[in-house]
Amino acid sequence: KQEVTQIPAALSVPEGENLVLNCSFTDSAIYNLQWFRQDPGKGLTSLLLIQSSQREQTSGRLNASLDKSSGRSTLYIAASQPGDSATYLCAVLYNNNDMRFGAGTRLTVKP
Amino acid sequence: KAGVTQTPRYLIKTRGQQVTLSCSPISGHRSVSWYQQTPGQGLQFLFEYFSETQRNKGNFPGRFSGRQFSNSRSEMNVSTLELGDSALYLCASSLTGWGETQYFGPGTRLLVL
Repeated sequence: KQEVTQIPAALSVPEGENLVLNCSFTDSAIYNLQWFRQDPGKGLTSLLLIQSSQREQTSGRLNASLDKSSGRSTLYIAASQPGDSATYLCAVLYNNNDMRFGAGTRLTVKP
Repeated sequence: KAGVTQTPRYLIKTRGQQVTLSCSPISGHRSVSWYQQTPGQGLQFLFEYFSETQRNKGNFPGRFSGRQFSNSRSEMNVSTLELGDSALYLCASSLTGWGETQYFGPGTRLLVL
């Protein structure tokens, strides 16, 4: 079964800290991987999309990496701010057109 | 450019009833996907429509169905509602499909009593 796992489930850090969120997947035959943030009761906002041929993508303070051979992706957030507090989800689109979401990491950045 | 809109935002139904949810994609987007989000199961893919055709389908019973119109607007229907159908239903749009960034709407929160 093609699973997506996110660890940790929750993370609390002081403002200004750099942090890494993890996403692992069970099958390396992926088409792409996307990171989203979700604020309470809201829809998802796309942060970064990494195609299977890419190793990383960057947007502002965010950097996402992809290692298909090890089945892992990381989302690096630099100089975290209270406004970064949200749940972060990764979604993997497998080559067989099966899309799977992780359960998310709930991030709290304390002022 | 207006974002993805979903109507209604909140809905309360009773078991056995049926419900129709609507999603209007970003102008120019032809792919619309539907997802169910619950505390227990997380986010699960329901189906994807492109140019009025269902292109991909998740593992949900036949009570869940959808359609897409020529203007790319999409509707999702759930018949014979069960308590377990209570969830946040999200739709997302993109220009041509999953190979691109997905833009999500705010969701419709359905409560089945």
